[in-house]
Amino acid sequence: GAGVSQTPSNKVTEKGKYVELRCDPISGHTALYWYRQSLGQGPEFLIYFQGTGAADDSGLPNDRFFAVRPEGSVSTLKIQRTERGDSAVYLCASSLQDRGIDTQYFGPGTRLTVL
Amino acid sequence: AQSVTQLDSQVPVFEEAPVELRCNYSSSVSVYLFWYVQYPNQGLQLLLKYLSGSTLVKGINGFEAEFNKSQTSFHLRKPSVHISDTAEYFCAVTIPGYSSASKIIFGSGTRLSIRP
Repeated sequence: GAGVSQTPSNKVTEKGKYVELRCDPISGHTALYWYRQSLGQGPEFLIYFQGTGAADDSGLPNDRFFAVRPEGSVSTLKIQRTERGDSAVYLCASSLQDRGIDTQYFGPGTRLTVL
Repeated sequence: AQSVTQLDSQVPVFEEAPVELRCNYSSSVSVYLFWYVQYPNQGLQLLLKYLSGSTLVKGINGFEAEFNKSQTSFHLRKPSVHISDTAEYFCAVTIPGYSSASKIIFGSGTRLSIRP
């Protein structure tokens, strides 16, 4: 079946602008995760959803970052007043349930460049 | 808090040679351990995982890893590499049993480059 998809694949924006990044998880997966991967680093956790609610948002760097998952499927990561330091690849992953043994399947990522 | 250290940022090896990518972790509680691979311009893919039981775990593409609790290590090995194994490899941990802690903590990655 289809894997996790993310759109857009690339996003270039100017400092101070607002951006939205979309994630379509695998159908039937209740858990959804957002990670951020800066150049030369491993992915860092941002936020995790179980169903429609954000169960853990401890990785969001500040209040410019926000994510929603209104119907328990598609999720949108929103970044306000973007800064050059926000440039990174934003990864989405989903798993069948929220248990450590459930494999997280990753999407290809959205590469965000803030000029 | 948990952390993962990958001791080598880059590992060059010749084709058909054996390889070991090193990973150490730090945690005050039991963890699940993973190795992910990221091929050029592709998403992360799970290679293998250790949850419990046998400390030697076999994964896809001929890779295996051994969990060593006393040394807090989870090194990845392959007896004979191919050009197609060129990729970035990430060691990672997660904590079992807590719904808010299924987030994965990744190491900084090891770039494996295969020379013909």
